[in-house]
Amino acid sequence: EVHLVESGGNLVQPGGSLRLSCVASGFAFSGYWMNWVRQAPGKGLEWVANIKPDESEKYYVDSVEGRFTISRDNAKNSLYLQMNSLRAEDTAVYFCAGDWGNWGQGTLVTVSS
Amino acid sequence: DVVMTQSPLSLPVTLGQPASISCRSSQSLVHSDGNTYLNWFQQRPGQSPRRLIYKVSNRDSGVPDRFSGSGSGTDFTLKISRVEAEDVGMYYCMQGSHWPPFTFGPGTKVDIK
Repeated sequence: EVHLVESGGNLVQPGGSLRLSCVASGFAFSGYWMNWVRQAPGKGLEWVANIKPDESEKYYVDSVEGRFTISRDNAKNSLYLQMNSLRAEDTAVYFCAGDWGNWGQGTLVTVSS
Repeated sequence: DVVMTQSPLSLPVTLGQPASISCRSSQSLVHSDGNTYLNWFQQRPGQSPRRLIYKVSNRDSGVPDRFSGSGSGTDFTLKISRVEAEDVGMYYCMQGSHWPPFTFGPGTKVDIK
C-alpha cells in the first residue's frame, strides 16, 4: 500500500524558514515526479513545485520562485521543501503528491507574528 | 497559465439523484502527445485530495463506477449517477497538459439537500 507522510510544519514568523519532509513507501519513489501542493485555510488547491526523478528538472509556481527549493533523496524515499522568506500568504496545509494518484495527509505551516 | 473554471461552485443534491459538475479550461488541454491530461479530485471534509478520474475519463482503482468523466478540448464534465452520503465534499478539476504551472479549478462543494 502506498503511503506518503509529511512532516515539518510549524508556526513560524514572517521572514523565517522551514523545511518540510515527505517520506514515501509502497511504490517506486525513485521513478516518479513528485509534487508539493498547498491549501490555504478554507481555500482551494494550489500546485507549488515539482521535481523530476533524477532531480535534473525542478519547477515552481511564480509566487514561491526564489524563496522555496524542492529536493529529494531517492535513497531515503524522501521529498523535501525548503521554504525561506516566508510570508503570511504561505500559510497553508502542504501536501506531497506522487504522480497525482497518491497524496499524503498534509502538514500545516502557519506564518504569523 | 491555463485558467480552470468550474460550475456550479455549490451543488446541493438529493441522495440517489444524479449530479454533474462542469470544468472549463482557458485553452485546449490536448497535449502534443495526443493525450488530454484532465484530472478530477475529491476531497472529503478533513481529508486529503483523492484522484477519481485521470485523462478525462479513466477511473482510478477503487473508485465507484457511479463516477464518470467526459469531455474534450476545453470542456469537461464529472458525473455522479446516484449520489451517496459519502460523496459529500469538494471536487476539483486539474489540468496537467500545459505546465508549469499545474492549475486547479476553484472547486465545487457537493452537499446533501
